[in-house]
Amino acid sequence: NAGVTQTPKFQVLKTGQSMTLQCAQDMNHNSMYWYRQDPGMGLRLIYYSASEGTTDKGEVPNGYNVSRLNKREFSLRLESAAPSQTSVYFCASSEPKAFFGQGTRLTVV
Amino acid sequence: AQRVTQPEKLLSVFKGAPVELKCNYSYSGSPELFWYVQYSRQRLQLLLRHISRESIKGFTADLNKGETSFHLKKPFAQEEDSAMYYCALSGRGYGNKLVFGAGTILRVKS
Repeated sequence: NAGVTQTPKFQVLKTGQSMTLQCAQDMNHNSMYWYRQDPGMGLRLIYYSASEGTTDKGEVPNGYNVSRLNKREFSLRLESAAPSQTSVYFCASSEPKAFFGQGTRLTVV
Repeated sequence: AQRVTQPEKLLSVFKGAPVELKCNYSYSGSPELFWYVQYSRQRLQLLLRHISRESIKGFTADLNKGETSFHLKKPFAQEEDSAMYYCALSGRGYGNKLVFGAGTILRVKS
Protein backbone atom coordinates (compact mmCIF):
# COMPACT_ATOMS: atom_id res chain seq x y z
CA ASN A 1 0.00 0.00 0.00
CA ALA A 2 2.80 2.44 -0.93
CA GLY A 3 0.80 5.17 -2.70
CA VAL A 4 3.21 7.93 -3.73
CA THR A 5 6.87 7.43 -2.91
CA GLN A 6 9.22 10.38 -3.13
CA THR A 7 12.99 10.45 -2.62
CA PRO A 8 15.09 11.83 -1.04
CA LYS A 9 13.47 13.20 2.12
CA PHE A 10 16.20 15.75 2.76
CA GLN A 11 18.90 17.27 0.58
CA VAL A 12 21.42 20.06 0.88
CA LEU A 13 22.95 21.39 -2.33
CA LYS A 14 25.53 24.01 -3.11
CA THR A 15 24.59 26.75 -5.55
CA GLY A 16 25.12 25.48 -9.09
CA GLN A 17 24.86 21.78 -8.28
CA SER A 18 22.28 19.61 -9.99
CA MET A 19 20.00 16.93 -8.65
CA THR A 20 16.92 14.89 -9.52
CA LEU A 21 13.98 14.29 -7.23
CA GLN A 22 12.34 10.95 -7.86
CA CYS A 23 8.63 10.17 -7.57
CA ALA A 24 6.72 6.96 -8.20
CA GLN A 25 3.07 5.99 -7.71
CA ASP A 26 1.50 2.56 -7.74
CA MET A 27 -2.16 3.56 -8.15
CA ASN A 28 -2.21 3.58 -11.97
CA HIS A 29 -3.03 7.30 -12.03
CA ASN A 30 -2.64 9.24 -15.24
CA SER A 31 -2.04 12.66 -13.67
CA MET A 32 1.08 13.48 -11.72
CA TYR A 33 2.36 16.77 -10.31
CA TRP A 34 5.29 18.52 -8.73
CA TYR A 35 4.58 21.34 -6.25
CA ARG A 36 6.75 23.49 -4.08
CA GLN A 37 5.61 24.73 -0.71
CA ASP A 38 6.99 27.94 0.76
CA PRO A 39 5.87 29.80 3.90
CA GLY A 40 3.00 32.14 3.11
CA MET A 41 2.82 30.96 -0.53
CA GLY A 42 0.93 27.73 -0.18
CA LEU A 43 1.39 25.04 -2.81
CA ARG A 44 2.58 26.26 -6.19
CA LEU A 45 2.51 23.99 -9.21
CA ILE A 46 5.87 23.55 -10.92
CA TYR A 47 5.02 20.99 -13.61
CA TYR A 48 2.15 18.74 -14.42
CA SER A 49 1.82 15.55 -16.45
CA ALA A 50 -1.59 14.42 -17.68
CA SER A 51 -0.24 11.09 -18.95
CA GLU A 52 2.90 9.21 -19.87
CA GLY A 53 4.92 11.21 -22.35
CA THR A 54 3.21 14.56 -21.74
CA THR A 55 4.27 17.39 -19.47
CA ASP A 56 3.06 20.97 -19.01
CA LYS A 57 4.42 23.97 -17.18
CA GLY A 58 2.70 25.09 -14.04
CA GLU A 59 2.89 28.36 -12.18
CA VAL A 60 6.64 28.35 -11.36
CA PRO A 61 8.53 26.19 -13.90
CA ASN A 62 11.70 28.29 -14.30
CA GLY A 63 14.84 26.49 -13.19
CA TYR A 64 13.24 23.03 -13.34
CA ASN A 65 12.82 20.23 -15.83
CA VAL A 66 10.69 17.13 -15.58
CA SER A 67 10.51 13.72 -17.13
CA ARG A 68 7.51 11.37 -17.21
CA LEU A 69 9.45 8.17 -17.77
CA ASN A 70 6.41 5.92 -17.69
CA LYS A 71 3.00 5.90 -16.06
CA ARG A 72 4.49 5.27 -12.60
CA GLU A 73 7.39 7.71 -12.48
CA PHE A 74 7.67 11.49 -12.68
CA SER A 75 11.03 13.05 -11.87
CA LEU A 76 11.97 16.68 -11.22
CA ARG A 77 15.44 17.95 -12.11
CA LEU A 78 17.26 21.04 -10.95
CA GLU A 79 20.07 21.64 -13.44
CA SER A 80 21.79 24.45 -11.56
CA ALA A 81 20.41 24.93 -8.08
CA ALA A 82 19.87 28.43 -6.70
CA PRO A 83 19.12 29.57 -3.12
CA SER A 84 15.65 30.65 -4.31
CA GLN A 85 14.89 26.96 -4.87
CA THR A 86 15.18 26.23 -1.17
CA SER A 87 11.76 24.80 -0.42
CA VAL A 88 9.75 21.72 0.40
CA TYR A 89 8.83 19.78 -2.74
CA PHE A 90 5.81 17.52 -3.00
CA CYS A 91 4.99 15.03 -5.69
CA ALA A 92 1.36 13.99 -6.16
CA SER A 93 -0.78 11.83 -8.37
CA SER A 94 -4.53 12.13 -8.87
CA GLU A 95 -7.64 10.53 -10.29
CA PRO A 96 -8.64 13.44 -9.64
CA LYS A 97 -8.49 12.91 -5.84
CA ALA A 98 -4.80 13.59 -5.12
CA PHE A 99 -2.36 11.52 -3.11
CA PHE A 100 0.88 13.10 -1.96
CA GLY A 101 4.39 11.97 -1.29
CA GLN A 102 5.99 12.73 2.05
CA GLY A 103 7.92 15.69 0.67
CA THR A 104 11.56 16.60 0.06
CA ARG A 105 13.09 19.34 2.16
CA LEU A 106 15.70 20.95 -0.09
CA THR A 107 18.18 23.56 1.05
CA VAL A 108 20.44 25.33 -1.43
CA VAL A 109 23.38 27.13 0.14
CA ALA B 1 -8.54 29.59 -16.11
CA GLN B 2 -8.74 27.73 -12.83
CA ARG B 3 -8.24 29.75 -9.68
CA VAL B 4 -8.77 29.07 -5.99
CA THR B 5 -8.79 31.86 -3.43
CA GLN B 6 -8.47 31.38 0.30
CA PRO B 7 -8.70 34.90 1.69
CA GLU B 8 -7.45 34.15 5.20
CA LYS B 9 -3.83 33.20 5.82
CA LEU B 10 -4.50 32.55 9.50
CA LEU B 11 -7.66 31.79 11.45
CA SER B 12 -7.43 31.61 15.21
CA VAL B 13 -10.36 30.32 17.29
CA PHE B 14 -10.95 29.02 20.79
CA LYS B 15 -11.63 25.37 21.49
CA GLY B 16 -15.35 24.67 21.18
CA ALA B 17 -16.01 27.63 18.89
CA PRO B 18 -17.38 27.21 15.36
CA VAL B 19 -14.95 27.24 12.47
CA GLU B 20 -15.42 28.41 8.89
CA LEU B 21 -12.53 28.37 6.44
CA LYS B 22 -13.38 30.26 3.29
CA CYS B 23 -12.71 29.12 -0.25
CA ASN B 24 -13.82 30.77 -3.49
CA TYR B 25 -13.06 29.52 -6.95
CA SER B 26 -13.27 30.49 -10.58
CA TYR B 27 -13.73 27.91 -13.30
CA SER B 28 -15.74 28.02 -16.48
CA GLY B 29 -16.92 24.42 -16.43
CA SER B 30 -18.18 22.05 -13.76
CA PRO B 31 -15.47 21.67 -11.14
CA GLU B 32 -14.57 19.09 -8.56
CA LEU B 33 -13.69 20.69 -5.23
CA PHE B 34 -11.59 19.31 -2.42
CA TRP B 35 -10.27 20.21 1.00
CA TYR B 36 -6.86 18.91 2.03
CA VAL B 37 -5.28 19.10 5.47
CA GLN B 38 -1.61 19.15 6.40
CA TYR B 39 -0.62 18.54 10.00
CA SER B 40 2.75 19.78 11.16
CA ARG B 41 5.56 18.43 8.95
CA GLN B 42 3.36 15.75 7.40
CA ARG B 43 2.16 15.16 3.86
CA LEU B 44 -1.12 16.56 2.66
CA GLN B 45 -4.10 14.28 3.01
CA LEU B 46 -7.60 14.50 1.65
CA LEU B 47 -10.17 15.79 4.11
CA LEU B 48 -13.25 16.22 1.92
CA ARG B 49 -14.35 15.77 -1.65
CA HIS B 50 -17.54 17.59 -2.57
CA ILE B 51 -19.05 14.82 -4.66
CA SER B 52 -18.86 12.31 -1.83
CA ARG B 53 -20.67 14.64 0.61
CA GLU B 54 -18.93 12.93 3.52
CA SER B 55 -18.28 14.43 6.92
CA ILE B 56 -14.74 13.77 8.09
CA LYS B 57 -13.60 14.60 11.63
CA GLY B 58 -16.76 16.69 12.00
CA PHE B 59 -15.96 18.92 9.00
CA THR B 60 -18.43 19.58 6.22
CA ALA B 61 -18.34 21.69 3.08
CA ASP B 62 -21.09 22.62 0.66
CA LEU B 63 -20.49 23.62 -2.92
CA ASN B 64 -22.34 26.85 -3.68
CA LYS B 65 -22.24 27.27 -7.44
CA GLY B 66 -24.02 30.63 -7.34
CA GLU B 67 -21.41 32.16 -5.06
CA THR B 68 -18.62 29.92 -6.44
CA SER B 69 -17.67 28.98 -2.90
CA PHE B 70 -16.75 25.81 -1.04
CA HIS B 71 -16.33 26.89 2.57
CA LEU B 72 -15.19 24.36 5.18
CA LYS B 73 -17.13 24.29 8.44
CA LYS B 74 -17.04 22.60 11.81
CA PRO B 75 -19.46 23.42 14.64
CA PHE B 76 -17.02 22.88 17.54
CA ALA B 77 -13.26 23.26 17.02
CA GLN B 78 -10.83 20.93 18.77
CA GLU B 79 -7.15 21.51 19.48
CA GLU B 80 -6.17 18.63 17.20
CA ASP B 81 -7.78 20.49 14.30
CA SER B 82 -4.84 22.91 14.30
CA ALA B 83 -3.25 22.49 10.88
CA MET B 84 -2.87 24.00 7.43
CA TYR B 85 -5.95 23.63 5.24
CA TYR B 86 -5.92 23.83 1.47
CA CYS B 87 -8.85 24.16 -0.87
CA ALA B 88 -8.30 22.65 -4.33
CA LEU B 89 -10.12 22.50 -7.64
CA SER B 90 -9.95 20.14 -10.57
CA GLY B 91 -11.84 20.28 -13.80
CA ARG B 92 -13.60 17.14 -14.90
CA GLY B 93 -12.19 14.84 -17.52
CA TYR B 94 -8.83 14.02 -18.98
CA GLY B 95 -6.02 16.53 -18.70
CA ASN B 96 -7.57 18.72 -16.03
CA LYS B 97 -5.01 19.63 -13.42
CA LEU B 98 -5.45 20.09 -9.70
CA VAL B 99 -4.96 23.66 -8.54
CA PHE B 100 -4.60 24.70 -4.90
CA GLY B 101 -5.36 27.82 -2.96
CA ALA B 102 -2.68 29.48 -0.85
CA GLY B 103 -3.87 27.71 2.30
CA THR B 104 -5.22 28.81 5.68
CA ILE B 105 -3.52 28.04 8.97
CA LEU B 106 -6.09 27.11 11.61
CA ARG B 107 -5.00 27.59 15.22
CA VAL B 108 -7.30 26.30 17.92
CA LYS B 109 -6.51 27.79 21.31
CA SER B 110 -7.38 26.16 24.62
